[in-house]
Amino acid sequence: KQEVTQIPAALSVPEGENLVLNCSFTDSAIYNLQWFRQDPGKGLTSLLLIQSSQREQTSGRLNASLDKSSGRSTLYIAASQPGDSATYLCAVLSGNTPLVFGKGTRLSVIA
Amino acid sequence: GAVVSQHPSRVICKSGTSVKIECRSLDFQATTMFWYRQFPKQSLMLMATSNEGSKATYEQGVEKDKFLINHASLTLSTLTVTSAHPEDSSFYICSARGQGAPDTQYFGPGTRLTVL
Repeated sequence: KQEVTQIPAALSVPEGENLVLNCSFTDSAIYNLQWFRQDPGKGLTSLLLIQSSQREQTSGRLNASLDKSSGRSTLYIAASQPGDSATYLCAVLSGNTPLVFGKGTRLSVIA
Repeated sequence: GAVVSQHPSRVICKSGTSVKIECRSLDFQATTMFWYRQFPKQSLMLMATSNEGSKATYEQGVEKDKFLINHASLTLSTLTVTSAHPEDSSFYICSARGQGAPDTQYFGPGTRLTVL
């Protein structure tokens, strides 16, 4: 059964710093991996989706990488801003099963 | 991209009553729908998977008689929380997958349920 782990559970950084969020998964036979953002009390916003054949995806200040063989993904946020404060969730799709989520990393960017 | 809606976005009910939450795929046919539950500061936990016209498959520990799921059409699934109790208060999020894009799940905006 697929398990997804995210480290750290919480992170606080000053504005302007670059930061990395980590995600690992136990079963490397995946279709894709997705990073979501969730603001308090709100639904999910999809940030980046990496197909199993891809190594990375970029969108603005966000870059997500995927190393399927080692079961790892990272989300890199450049020049962080207070508006980036949210919970970031990593989710993995395997076979015909639904997305499996990690517990998330709660990010606080301090002005 | 594909859009999934949920209704209501927020509901408050008395203990012992039943609450129905609707999930609709607005511009695609959802062959499979998923219901997740999220407690405060926790991640999304899958409750059940439903395929159109079939009975839902519930995850371990989820009571099927308490959380009734109906997926009667390719654009609508409903979750009914029966005899709700305060411990059922949570954020419920539905997700849909279409036949044309089996590797993509689209998420609804969620429903905040508060049971008094």
